[in-house]
Amino acid sequence: GAGVSQSPSNKVTEKGKDVELRCDPISGHTALYWYRQSLGQGLEFLIYFQGNSAPDKSGLPSDRFSAERTGGSVSTLTIQRTQQEDSAVYLCASSLVVHEQFFGPGTRLTVL
Amino acid sequence: GQQVMQIPQYQHVQEGEDFTTYCNSSTTLSNIQWYKQRPGGHPVFLIQLVKSGEVKKQKRLTFQFGEAKKNSSLHITATQTTDVGTYFCAGNGGSNYKLTFGKGTLLTVNP
Repeated sequence: GAGVSQSPSNKVTEKGKDVELRCDPISGHTALYWYRQSLGQGLEFLIYFQGNSAPDKSGLPSDRFSAERTGGSVSTLTIQRTQQEDSAVYLCASSLVVHEQFFGPGTRLTVL
Repeated sequence: GQQVMQIPQYQHVQEGEDFTTYCNSSTTLSNIQWYKQRPGGHPVFLIQLVKSGEVKKQKRLTFQFGEAKKNSSLHITATQTTDVGTYFCAGNGGSNYKLTFGKGTLLTVNP
């Protein structure tokens, strides 16, 4: 069956531009997570969705970061006025609440 | 907040040698999960441990959850080149959703 998909796979942007990253979770998974992984680092939690609501946004690094989820399915992570320190791989995962998380392939964001 | 420490950060072994990575949480965990990330890939779930003192095996991999549910280990017997990758532990502190990931242990295997 289809796994978690993310698009684009790679995104190169200029400092100050806005970017949108998309995640399509596994059908039926009510929980959706966004993580950020910098080179050689662990996974930094950004935000969690249960259905369309985001009860935990505590990991968002700044108010330039926002995310939404519609129809209990697709999620978009938006980064406004990108900075070089935003360069990382952004991973999306979905799960059935506190069970194993299924990760997508990630979006590699490079801010020049 | 909850912190999960993982050691070592890197481990290089000769094929056939054993490997162990250790995970320690600053708080008691409800459960702990282990993930493997191959180079260039994304994390893939390996196992979840729930009970105090639990030991689970998957072929050459042995996972343990400490009695106090604050630490865990992953041991690989007789490593193979296919074991190469970063192994992450991820602790759940009692919420019904949030995992705190360790920084991972990068395993390289010399054939």
